[in-house]
Amino acid sequence: AQTVTQSQPEMSVQEAETVTLSCTYDTSESDYYLFWYKQPPSRQMILVIRQEAYKQQNATENRFSVNFQKAAKSFSLKISDSQLGDAAMYFCAYRYKGAQKLVFGQGTRLTINP
Amino acid sequence: SAVISQKPSRDICQRGTSLTIQCQVDSQVTMMFWYRQQPGQSLTLIATANQGSEATYESGFVIDKFPISRPNLTFSTLTVSNMSPEDSSIYLCSASGTDERANYGYTFGSGTRLTVV
Repeated sequence: AQTVTQSQPEMSVQEAETVTLSCTYDTSESDYYLFWYKQPPSRQMILVIRQEAYKQQNATENRFSVNFQKAAKSFSLKISDSQLGDAAMYFCAYRYKGAQKLVFGQGTRLTINP
Repeated sequence: SAVISQKPSRDICQRGTSLTIQCQVDSQVTMMFWYRQQPGQSLTLIATANQGSEATYESGFVIDKFPISRPNLTFSTLTVSNMSPEDSSIYLCSASGTDERANYGYTFGSGTRLTVV
């Protein structure tokens, strides 16, 4: 069964600095998708970034980028120039291309210190 | 991507009663998903709802406790039946579109915070 592990329950960073959130996953599949979701206190799950496993190039969305290491099954999220609005729970998620269900990690609570 | 309206946003209910949560999507979607989330924890999938067929429940969740309806491609409900304090949680719905749209990540409702007293 596929699993997603986020080993950092909590992280904190100073405003304007850079932080990296870790995610590892376990799968025997070769064609899949990886996602990072943000959940602020409002509870709304927001898609931050996604990566397709067959693409070697790391995905980037403005201040958010990923380091996708397929062989190591690692998918970390880097947030540059952290802003107070980035404070939230961040969830890493996996979906096998042939399935519909998302598999979520345990989440990392990110605090931004002003 | 699709936008989901979920309601109620919160409710306080008496034990033994039932609550129905609704999710309305602004476009037709293939599959909808219902999750439970304890505060500060990850999401646990309750069931997957396809239009026109019975919902598929995950291990530990049963239809008698969590009946789901999916009458069309834009709407679904989850009922939490015969509630106990252990059912106090956040419930979220999510939707995928066609396979191509699903690849861009699923859309979520804003959640329902349920407290059972």
